[in-house]
Amino acid sequence: EVQLVESGGGLIQPGGSLRLSCTASGFFVSSNYMSWVRQAPGKGLEWVSIIYSDGSTYYADSVKGRFTISRDNSKNTLYLQMNSLRVDDTALYYCARDPGYDYGLDYWGQGTLVTVSS
Amino acid sequence: QSVLTQPPSASGTPGQRVTVSCAGSNSNIGSNYVYWYQHLPGTAPKLLIYRNNQRPSGVPDRFSASKSGTSASLAISGLRSEDEADYYCAVWHDSLSGWVFGGGTKLTVL
Repeated sequence: EVQLVESGGGLIQPGGSLRLSCTASGFFVSSNYMSWVRQAPGKGLEWVSIIYSDGSTYYADSVKGRFTISRDNSKNTLYLQMNSLRVDDTALYYCARDPGYDYGLDYWGQGTLVTVSS
Repeated sequence: QSVLTQPPSASGTPGQRVTVSCAGSNSNIGSNYVYWYQHLPGTAPKLLIYRNNQRPSGVPDRFSASKSGTSASLAISGLRSEDEADYYCAVWHDSLSGWVFGGGTKLTVL
């Protein structure tokens, strides 16, 4: 059974750093495209970042230069390192699997909440 | 503001058919597949439609979708109370190398 479990969220001051984790089971993170998507309070879904199976990475303009997506194949885990956090980064962060071949984001985790506030 | 425009709200009564629209442009909907997601806030979003009109296994055939030119729509027939959720359209944006979501439509079952 495919499962994604996010962790690492919490309350952090502006300018701080946080690393989110997404532990996968039932499939290999390394064989899929993996994305982070967030939802700010009262707002819609916003794509944040993607890592391809070949290791290429891409970011939304709003987080470029501050966030880094990575994975640990031995732990079958996806990460999102978030630096220079801002108040408007406050959101529920979801990881999602994209198996490619235009199947879309077919499995999502339950999300982990990041609150940036002084 | 998203490049994909959805109405903020929609509503219907049980058993009714409702549609949710998604308007884009030649650079997004016009040149890529459209996807639809169902989301109850605080829970994992669920893929409803991929490649414009394909349903993943387990998605009831009450859900259907279509695309024409630079617009797409999701239709829900035989509306049920459990369909009350937020619905998002999305496309892969080549120039961003990332996903773009519509603003979302909150569906209320009256």
